[in-house]
Amino acid sequence: DTGVSQDPRHKITKRGQNVTFRCDPISEHNRLYWYRQTLGQGPEFLTYFQNEAQLEKSRLLSDRFSAERPKGSFSTLEIQRTEQGDSAMYLCASSLWGSGSNEQFFGPGTRLTVL
Amino acid sequence: KNQVEQSPQSLIILEGKNCTLQCNYTVSPFSNLRWYKQDTGRGPVSLTIMTFSENTKSNGRYTATLDADTKQSSLHITASQLSDSASYICVVSAGNDYKLSFGAGTTVTVRA
Repeated sequence: DTGVSQDPRHKITKRGQNVTFRCDPISEHNRLYWYRQTLGQGPEFLTYFQNEAQLEKSRLLSDRFSAERPKGSFSTLEIQRTEQGDSAMYLCASSLWGSGSNEQFFGPGTRLTVL
Repeated sequence: KNQVEQSPQSLIILEGKNCTLQCNYTVSPFSNLRWYKQDTGRGPVSLTIMTFSENTKSNGRYTATLDADTKQSSLHITASQLSDSASYICVVSAGNDYKLSFGAGTTVTVRA
């Protein structure tokens, strides 16, 4: 499968614990995006990378959230001291910037439940 | 503020029937508009994309229209199938083309 993959698909954790999600983009894509989606809503932008550089972070991304893309390939999103309000689907997308269409292709998401 | 509003919030249709979903947006400057299909527990998958100069685009049984003057779009599903049951999200891209504005989606349920 050459699409965007995310791991794990589901994560249940207790409040206060740290969690880390991984996203593997389509191999030649230079941009990678993280979104959060709550039930009945569209995705909300969190942050994006061009290669290894994090170019923008949303105000939704509090100090407890950190994202990295160290080698310009896969990315991780870490949430420290999780809160119940962090429960959501975390979506990753990638695109080939400069290709003309710049279409974002989405992964299947990681469903986080904070108890 | 860039906004995308979709209606209805949800609908139920019988297999084989047609339906139309609506999207109004206030995103500026406008770059393109996409309709995505999102199955439960999955990521969104693009169905159609339209730029300012395009007013209709088809993908199989899905036909999208765009009126850039009134800032409205619609997605028409013809001869619905059970597999069409999903959330359909209208997504508008502003001039910089990486910051997407998402609607809340319309949940379509197709019943046999």
